[in-house]
Amino acid sequence: DTGVSQDPRHKITKRGQNVTFRCDPISEHNRLYWYRQTLGQGPEFLTYFQNEAQLEKSRLLSDRFSAERPKGSFSTLEIQRTEQGDSAMYLCASSPSGPSYGYTFGSGTRLTVV
Amino acid sequence: AQSVSQHNHHVILSEAASLELGCNYSYGGTVNLFWYVQYPGQHLQLLLKYFSGDPLVKGIKGFEAEFIKSKFSFNLRKPSVQWSDTAEYFCAVSNTGNQFYFGTGTSLTVIP
Repeated sequence: DTGVSQDPRHKITKRGQNVTFRCDPISEHNRLYWYRQTLGQGPEFLTYFQNEAQLEKSRLLSDRFSAERPKGSFSTLEIQRTEQGDSAMYLCASSPSGPSYGYTFGSGTRLTVV
Repeated sequence: AQSVSQHNHHVILSEAASLELGCNYSYGGTVNLFWYVQYPGQHLQLLLKYFSGDPLVKGIKGFEAEFIKSKFSFNLRKPSVQWSDTAEYFCAVSNTGNQFYFGTGTSLTVIP
């Protein structure tokens, strides 16, 4: 499968714990995005990388959230001290450079904070 | 920031009926417009996109959309829906390419 891969598919964690998600983009795509989707809503932008550089972050990305993309390949999204409001589907997408390209999305990681 | 409005939250149609899903956006400048589809249990997939040229865009599976700049609209259409079109449909707008603004989605149920 040469699409965008996300791991894990599901994560249940206790409030206050840290969690980390991984995204492997399509290998020739240099742009990588993280979005969050809650029930009944469309995806909301969190952050964006071009190669290894994190170029944009949403105000939704509080200081408990951090994302990395070492070497411009896979990316990780870490949430520290999880809260129940963090429960959502976390989507990763990748694209080649250029404003006219659509994204290729992964299947997402569903986080449930209990 | 952009905003994207999808007027229909849930649409129920019989097979062979025609479909039109509304999408309006707020930004007045140059935009790139997209429709994504999410079939049950699957990831978001690109249905079609517009970034310049002919405002009538054809996508996969018989879908098309028309960009009407004066109305800030990008409505999705299909002349005859099938049961397999049952899915969630999202309109998205981008003005820089760095982030997309998505609508809240329209859930389409097609009854055989």
